[in-house]
Amino acid sequence: RKEVEQDPGPFNVPEGATVAFNCTYSNSASQSFFWYRQDCRKEPKLLMSVYSSGNEDGRFTAQLNRASQYISLLIRDSKLSDSATYLCVVNIGGFKTIFGAGTRLFVKA
Amino acid sequence: DAGITQSPRHKVTETGTPVTLRCHQTENHRYMYWYRQDPGHGLRLIHYSYGVKDTDKGEVSDGYSVSRSKTEDFLLTLESATSSQTSVYFCAISEGQIGKNTEAFFGQGTRLTVV
Repeated sequence: RKEVEQDPGPFNVPEGATVAFNCTYSNSASQSFFWYRQDCRKEPKLLMSVYSSGNEDGRFTAQLNRASQYISLLIRDSKLSDSATYLCVVNIGGFKTIFGAGTRLFVKA
Repeated sequence: DAGITQSPRHKVTETGTPVTLRCHQTENHRYMYWYRQDPGHGLRLIHYSYGVKDTDKGEVSDGYSVSRSKTEDFLLTLESATSSQTSVYFCAISEGQIGKNTEAFFGQGTRLTVV
């Protein structure tokens, strides 16, 4: 079992739709959680950190469920520019930071 | 954007030849990392550095070595390239340890093909 697992997608949604991704992690000692965004053939960039109480940044909401060991990313009112791969990132201590393989999102007009 | 550049951006090399990839930063960040990215896998850590001449192995370090003689430069060497090392290589930098609520900044990547 992979330490961090994501549905690879792709998710194909129309503009204006709400879409949610989940990411599960296997190590209960995981400490920090993040979502990164990677455009096609580009480098990953931090989208947002994920806090225990949940957090929101504009149209993006991140949630953490420690009991079930998953994090989620909700995107409201999807834009064409949201088309990208979203990487789930989990730190389990020290330099042990695991990147998920990513979930691809296509937003269509 | 963070000042981090990788060179070369693309390279094709033959099996058995040594290859060196360079990562250069202008941010004066302490930590530098080399990752590889392959389809179906997340970014996997090859080696990292926590200071000049201070380096350590990541999860996929076999066949790779690194050096950091200056704060701004982190070199990744494939001692004898194999086809399994065909990949996209990303360098990253961070002020603190990645995952300690510290953002990682990535270079634009190097596409390496070993034939």
